Amino acid sequence: AQKITQTQPGMFVQEKEAVTLDCTYDTSDPSYGLFWYKQPSSGEMIFLIYQGSYDQQNATEGRYSLNFQKARKSANLVISASQLGDSAMYFCAMKTGFQKLVFGTGTRLLVSP
Amino acid sequence: DTEVTQTPKHLVMGMTNKKSLKCEQHMGHRAMYWYKQKAKKPPELMFVYSYEKLSINESVPSRFSPECPNSSLLNLHLHALQPEDSALYLCASSQILGETQYFGPGTRLLVL
Repeated sequence: AQKITQTQPGMFVQEKEAVTLDCTYDTSDPSYGLFWYKQPSSGEMIFLIYQGSYDQQNATEGRYSLNFQKARKSANLVISASQLGDSAMYFCAMKTGFQKLVFGTGTRLLVSP
Repeated sequence: DTEVTQTPKHLVMGMTNKKSLKCEQHMGHRAMYWYKQKAKKPPELMFVYSYEKLSINESVPSRFSPECPNSSLLNLHLHALQPEDSALYLCASSQILGETQYFGPGTRLLVL
């Protein structure tokens, strides 16, 4: 069975600093994809970044990077130079094949001035 | 353009009402999804359509009835809902099943 674990219910960071949001996963399928989504208080789930299990390099998208450690089964999201607009709930998710997307419980990030 | 639109943004309905939620995408995606999200919880999958055919029904009560009239539109018909059905309803689409899902802004539903 697939499982995503996000152990940080809440994180605080000061503006302009970097922050790491943790995500560990469990699957027996050798082919899988890992996603991070951002959900502001408005409700929309915003796709941030994707990492495939066979990708050799860590994914990056602007200020977002995914620290993929396959042996540890972790896929942490790193946000560099935090901005006030980064305050939101962040969900890690995984899919294998055509199976449904499995979400973690989320981490609420608060960026302070 | 990765835009999925949903209407209405907010909906209040009584337990005897019939209403519909609408989702639209013009990205040429062939898979569309309905999720239900309760406060402080991750989204829960309800239905998946692939090439306009119902592919997955996650044992959702029959008071929720999905419809995919064409490749761009996805509806969720609501009838005789219960107060516990109050939630944020999110629509998503992806190129095909298994690809990255792009979500709409959601409809906040309150059942009185």
